[in-house]
Amino acid sequence: DAGVTQSPTHLIKTRGQQVTLRCSPKSGHDTVSWYQQALGQGPQFIFQYYEEEERQRGNFPDRFSGHQFPNYSSELNVNALLLGDSALYLCASSLPFYEQYFGPGTRLTVT
Amino acid sequence: AQRVTQPEKLLSVFKGAPVELKCNYSYSGSPELFWYVQYSRQRLQLLLRHISRESIKGFTADLNKGETSFHLKKPFAQEEDSAMYYCALEFKAAGNKLTFGGGTRVLVKP
Repeated sequence: DAGVTQSPTHLIKTRGQQVTLRCSPKSGHDTVSWYQQALGQGPQFIFQYYEEEERQRGNFPDRFSGHQFPNYSSELNVNALLLGDSALYLCASSLPFYEQYFGPGTRLTVT
Repeated sequence: AQRVTQPEKLLSVFKGAPVELKCNYSYSGSPELFWYVQYSRQRLQLLLRHISRESIKGFTADLNKGETSFHLKKPFAQEEDSAMYYCALEFKAAGNKLTFGGGTRVLVKP
């Protein structure tokens, strides 16, 4: 089991563009959470998906949206990118209320 | 709202010396607290959680509800302990959302 995988590894976008990040959970996990980690800070919770529905959401604008597929993989979409969206985006998977396992992250740079 | 504070950005200690990473939290409910570690070029991983009361890699952490603290300690630091450490609080009200502190970089010098 490769654990949690994320793609792409790195991404460079221009302000105003849209981006989609992808996450495949660890085998057997059905819950996916997304976090944003700005440089020099701890991860911040964006939202969590379970049974293809958003179960909980952090303090992020509606420009951040997500989706979970029947195979439990997930996408994070960010519209109208701002310079401040530059960060490492982490995906974590788990069984409900169990330990979260993190992926390696996607480094997004907005220019 | 829940909040986690790690007051030290950097801790530098010599090998064999004790190390203590501070973590304070604010939360109105009954907290579940964790320490995560990120070694160089590796992904974030769970080090220990307060409910298990385990000692992992020689590290221990005690939850002090009176002082709202969850400090991480190791009596004899090793060079392989050099890493980024994050304290996190779990909010179970709807899912298991984690709130992280800003992190402490530990550098163990030979």
